[in-house]
Amino acid sequence: GAVVSQHPSRVICKSGTSVKIECRSLDFQATTMFWYRQFPKQSLMLMATSNEGSKATYEQGVEKDKFLINHASLTLSTLTVTSAHPEDSSFYICSARLQGDTQYFGPGTRLTVL
Amino acid sequence: AQSVAQPEDQVNVAEGNPLTVKCTYSVSGNPYLFWYVQYPNRGLQFLLKYITGDNLVKGSYGFEAEFNKSQTSFHLKKPSALVSDSALYFCAVRDNTGGFKTIFGAGTRLFVKA
Repeated sequence: GAVVSQHPSRVICKSGTSVKIECRSLDFQATTMFWYRQFPKQSLMLMATSNEGSKATYEQGVEKDKFLINHASLTLSTLTVTSAHPEDSSFYICSARLQGDTQYFGPGTRLTVL
Repeated sequence: AQSVAQPEDQVNVAEGNPLTVKCTYSVSGNPYLFWYVQYPNRGLQFLLKYITGDNLVKGSYGFEAEFNKSQTSFHLKKPSALVSDSALYFCAVRDNTGGFKTIFGAGTRLFVKA
């Protein structure tokens, strides 16, 4: 089946620093990738839709200057949390659309901001 | 607006017994419905989807779901639960207003006791 990886799986950083999370589709090309945020014991909240070669589409309430998304190739999208603060601590999950309506999810990245 | 409801925060079943995890939806137009499972600190795994065709959809790991248009439901079922089925289950619907945005339910935690 289609495989999506995320790196790192876990990151701890100091408040005010920036953190980059990578999402890769390993065995297929994904024109569309999605970034989600999941709080403890809650559902996934879509942050943005990332299309290769174009600007990401952010959901209402998501700060585009804080959560920078780059989809430079058909197999890689990156999410950069800029000037991270403790309230940004969360589980970030990406997904990639292969074809049709099925999304394949990465294993997630747990971000802890001290 | 598209929405998904999972009325149960938690479902408890004994191993070997049948299980049902409930989901109702609200969409305009034809629904594209999904079930995903999430294990601790992991991304989501696709279980099954309904796009069109037979109302009973069979998926991974012995799971199936029944689409009921009149009741706007898409309950997840398995004839005989395993302890290893214990996880968090998400029902989801594709947003038909454009793009491939997916809206997730709040999730239902399934506990299967030995």
